[in-house]
Amino acid sequence: KQEVTQIPAALSVPEGENLVLNCSFTDSAIYNLQWFRQDPGKGLTSLLLIQSSQREQTSGRLNASLDKSSGRSTLYIAASQPGDSATYLCAAPIYNQGGKLIFGQGTELSVKP
Amino acid sequence: GAGVSQSPSNKVTEKGKDVELRCDPISGHTALYWYRQSLGQGLEFLIYFQGNSAPDKSGLPSDRFSAERTGGSVSTLTIQRTQQEDSAVYLCASSLEVGGYGYTFGSGTRLTVV
Repeated sequence: KQEVTQIPAALSVPEGENLVLNCSFTDSAIYNLQWFRQDPGKGLTSLLLIQSSQREQTSGRLNASLDKSSGRSTLYIAASQPGDSATYLCAAPIYNQGGKLIFGQGTELSVKP
Repeated sequence: GAGVSQSPSNKVTEKGKDVELRCDPISGHTALYWYRQSLGQGLEFLIYFQGNSAPDKSGLPSDRFSAERTGGSVSTLTIQRTQQEDSAVYLCASSLEVGGYGYTFGSGTRLTVV
C-alpha cells in the first residue's frame, strides 16, 4: 500500500527566503509525481509533474526533483513571496492501483512580508 | 472545456436528504476521479472511472454513496440520506489516461449537511 509523507507539516518563513518541502513515498512503482498547491477553500492547482523517468522539473521559481530509488521528492521554492502562502501537496499514482493519486497530508506554508 | 468544471460550488442540505454533485471533465480525458476532503483532513479517494472499464469503487465510504459516468464524459456523485459526517469538499479530477499524464482538478463542491 502506497504511503506518502510530507515534512514539515507547517512552515513559516520571512519573505525572500529559499525553502525546501519534502515528500517521501513507500512504493516506487509510480507513473510520475505531481506537486499541487491548494489555497484555503479552493481546489488543487498543479504546479509541476515529474515523470518517473525524469529527475527534475522547473517552472519559474519552483524546482521539483524526484529520486525513485530513495522514494523522495523535494519542491524548492526560490525567493519566497507572500503570495506563495498556501498548502502544498505531493501525490504519486502507482501502477497497481489504477493510477489513483495517493496524497501526502501537505505542508502549510506561510510567507511573512 | 478548458478545465474541470464542478457544480454546484456550494451545497447546503438537510440531514437525510439526497444530493447530486456534478463533474464535467476536460474534453477527451478518459480517466475521472472523485476525492473528498474533510475539514483539516487530507484527500480521500472515493472512486475512479477509466474509459469503458468498470469503475474502481473501493474508496466509497458506504452504500449511500454512488457515482456514474455517462457517455464517458460527465460524472455524477450521489449521496443518499446525507449525514453530518458527509460534510466536506468533494473534488473531481480528470486525466488524459490513467497514469502518466498528470491530473487536473476542479474547484470542488463544498457540501454542508445541517
